[in-house]
Amino acid sequence: DVKVTQSSRYLVKRTGEKVFLECVQDMDHENMFWYRQDPGLGLRLIYFSYDVKMKEKGDIPEGYSVSREKKERFSLILESASTNQTSMYLCASSLFQKGYNEQFFGPGTRLTVL
Amino acid sequence: GENVEQHPSTLSVQEGDSAVIKCTYSDSASNYFPWYKQELGKRPQLIIDIRSNVGEKKDQRIAVTLNKTAKHFSLHITETQPEDSAVYFCAASMGYSTLTFGKGTMLLVSP
Repeated sequence: DVKVTQSSRYLVKRTGEKVFLECVQDMDHENMFWYRQDPGLGLRLIYFSYDVKMKEKGDIPEGYSVSREKKERFSLILESASTNQTSMYLCASSLFQKGYNEQFFGPGTRLTVL
Repeated sequence: GENVEQHPSTLSVQEGDSAVIKCTYSDSASNYFPWYKQELGKRPQLIIDIRSNVGEKKDQRIAVTLNKTAKHFSLHITETQPEDSAVYFCAASMGYSTLTFGKGTMLLVSP
């Protein structure tokens, strides 16, 4: 059974703080993704990674960076948190296999920036 | 890039009725169309998917249809039950790449 875990379920930070969100998967998946989920806007892709040390921008990368030093771990970094980054953040992973693309999601981190 | 439109944004039905959620996509190269269900407070989970070489796929009370010419696909839920209440997301992909999600449909099934 695929398991994707995220470091925190709830997080409260202050404007300007550096924030780290961590995601770990235990199924040896090559692909990992970070999304933010806002009401009425669906799931929007921030960054993704096909392999260790590789990263690609998604649709809304501004204000975020990522790190993937190990295959099972993908970190999302908010360099200087702002109130408009208050959101639910979801991590996901999937196999890198043509024609098969089911993504397995973590439980989410609800981040509030004050 | 790909753009996925999803309608309606909310859908209320009585238990036992059918529910239909529709999505359109823009990139004709997309060939994989999954549907995810997200119950309140939980993570999205895949419920059914369809590939571009198939026109329809069924799994018990849920079915998905695909019209490649019109670039739209739909989720059909028959004999709805209260536990079907959730947010449903459609998505489109070119197989092994990223998914582009629709904005979601909140389905409420009333007993």
